[in-house]
Amino acid sequence: GQQLNQSPQSMFIQEGEDVSMNCTSSSIFNTWLWYKQDPGEGPVLLIALYKAGELTSNGRLTAQFGITRKDSFLNISASIPSDVGIYFCAGPGAGSYQLTFGKGTKLSVIP
Amino acid sequence: DGGITQSPKYLFRKEGQNVTLSCEQNLNHDAMYWYRQDPGQGLRLIYYSQIVNDFQKGDIAEGYSVSREKKESFPLTVTSAQKNPTAFYLCASSIRRGAYNEQFFGPGTRLTVL
Repeated sequence: GQQLNQSPQSMFIQEGEDVSMNCTSSSIFNTWLWYKQDPGEGPVLLIALYKAGELTSNGRLTAQFGITRKDSFLNISASIPSDVGIYFCAGPGAGSYQLTFGKGTKLSVIP
Repeated sequence: DGGITQSPKYLFRKEGQNVTLSCEQNLNHDAMYWYRQDPGQGLRLIYYSQIVNDFQKGDIAEGYSVSREKKESFPLTVTSAQKNPTAFYLCASSIRRGAYNEQFFGPGTRLTVL
């Protein structure tokens, strides 16, 4: 089946720093989604990308749909303590309406 | 407010007992999904339903059962046949069947089998 590789697995950063994480797929994706999960809660959709090359922002978050359609990037600028959590990439492969999830990037922000 | 509710938040059961997790949505979404999450893992699809009275197995359906008698409700039963049922269970819904749509998640139920 389709696999998503998300990196890094975890990261520790100082408050105020910028963060970058990415996701790569073994096959082409038509949509890329980025979710954030707080401890003990359900994931919340942050950004949805629908077109190769698309760059979309949501506040301090910016995500890009890779031109090859096999990767996506999420950047967080000027991190704050409430950015702590696990960030997941996800997407349905071509011809599918089921989501495949990456294993997540766990972000810790040091005040 | 519209949303997805899951109850209870925490559930404890003895080994060998069946247990049913509740998922209700008032978003008027056609499709509903159940995922299992283990520490350090992504979400794995257990079952999904695109329409009332119809549902399909996901990647890890063994030991689980579902029903979809109403559009708003998609309960999941964890049976005694599930070898390792302790996990965090997430329900999700999306607006339209037959095509991909963004999924929205409930707050989850943490099941611990003693």
